[in-house]
Amino acid sequence: GENVEQHPSTLSVQEGDSAVIKCTYSDSASNYFPWYKQELGKGPQLIIDIRSNVGEKKDQRIAVTLNKTAKHFSLHITETQPEDSAVYFCAASRSGTASKLTFGTGTRLQVTL
Amino acid sequence: DTEVTQTPKHLVMGMTNKKSLKCEQHMGHRAMYWYKQKAKKPPELMFVYSYEKLSINESVPSRFSPECPNSSLLNLHLHALQPEDSALYLCASSQGTRGVFQNIQYFGAGTRLSVL
Repeated sequence: GENVEQHPSTLSVQEGDSAVIKCTYSDSASNYFPWYKQELGKGPQLIIDIRSNVGEKKDQRIAVTLNKTAKHFSLHITETQPEDSAVYFCAASRSGTASKLTFGTGTRLQVTL
Repeated sequence: DTEVTQTPKHLVMGMTNKKSLKCEQHMGHRAMYWYKQKAKKPPELMFVYSYEKLSINESVPSRFSPECPNSSLLNLHLHALQPEDSALYLCASSQGTRGVFQNIQYFGAGTRLSVL
């Protein structure tokens, strides 16, 4: 089955700095890679996703890159703000009408003033 | 609207109790999911329903019994749980039909379950 590794487990940055979270996956058939943000007491919220036919995707301060050859994908957050503080999970799945999402272990991001 | 609604938000139950968790979505999605999340861990898939039929059971103990009465509603029936079953139970849904959006899963806020 799929295995997703995520690093770092914790990340502390100053407000305005950039944050990068990296994931690797094992199943070469995986072709969908979402990122979720989970705040305390809430469910995971989809913030950005990328499919295997695309190398990079950007949405305002958030970007995701994918290297299919190396089986790596990364989340980049620029100009971090205190409200970006949360746990971030990467995930991977194959295409299909009801596919299993395999999550990384999570990164706790702390944005300090 | 990408809302998945879960009730109750919190539940405390004894090991001999029977209770149910409820999940509802009105996005017309045809795939619905139950996940279990322990503290400081990622969500772990339990069950997947596709077109109201159980399509994936991740070897979950029989004390957890899922039910999908219609395309908008998903239940998780609980019976004779153990203290180690205490966790956040998350429901998610996805379009479940062929197309570029088929995989996107939207999560509810979860039910925090404590088993005494």
